Amino acid sequence: SAVISQKPSRDICQRGTSLTIQCQVDSQVTMMFWYRQQPGQSLTLIATANQGSEATYESGFVIDKFPISRPNLTFSTLTVSNMSPEDSSIYLCSVEGAPGITDTQYFGPGTRLTVL
Amino acid sequence: GENVEQHPSTLSVQEGDSAVIKCTYSDSASNYFPWYKQELGKRPQLIIDIRSNVGEKKDQRIAVTLNKTAKHFSLHITETQPEDSAVYFCAASKGSNYKLTFGKGTLLTVNP
Repeated sequence: SAVISQKPSRDICQRGTSLTIQCQVDSQVTMMFWYRQQPGQSLTLIATANQGSEATYESGFVIDKFPISRPNLTFSTLTVSNMSPEDSSIYLCSVEGAPGITDTQYFGPGTRLTVL
Repeated sequence: GENVEQHPSTLSVQEGDSAVIKCTYSDSASNYFPWYKQELGKRPQLIIDIRSNVGEKKDQRIAVTLNKTAKHFSLHITETQPEDSAVYFCAASKGSNYKLTFGKGTLLTVNP
């Protein structure tokens, strides 16, 4: 499987500020996704990060709140904008299409965000 | 869109017993069904998956069964051990390049 890293691993932020989370993979992958996991809950897909084009957002998530970039096949960022305490969550990237592997998603270690 | 229901939400077993977690899905076009294990504070890790052209798959103490007609699939863990304690998530997708839809998770506790 691919080696996936995320930065930062955790952060505590003030209300109204923004945080950018990075996801780096050690090999080129076809797909990159961003999920949110609220405490004690399941994983909810925020968006699919498309290389070279705008991300595809799921219902309930908008680009102004969660802008996403994917400049190449190994890197993506998710920004959580104008944060409120309700944004406190774990944010995970996942990747699919690592060399030799299809339709299997592997997850990064996650970013634990606390908004005060 | 796809909807995945998972039961039970919590499951407690004695070490050595078997554990079964069941999921149903709504979209008949789904053809890929992975299971993830998430230990406290860790990332979800893929433990087994099954594709729609297969009815059952085994990997040591873990097995997954799929009934496409009924649109349900199950995870079976035999000879459970305390280290099997975790939250287990089922998921469904239409395959490569499609998103995963997750169930709500099952907290499995294996008592020594």
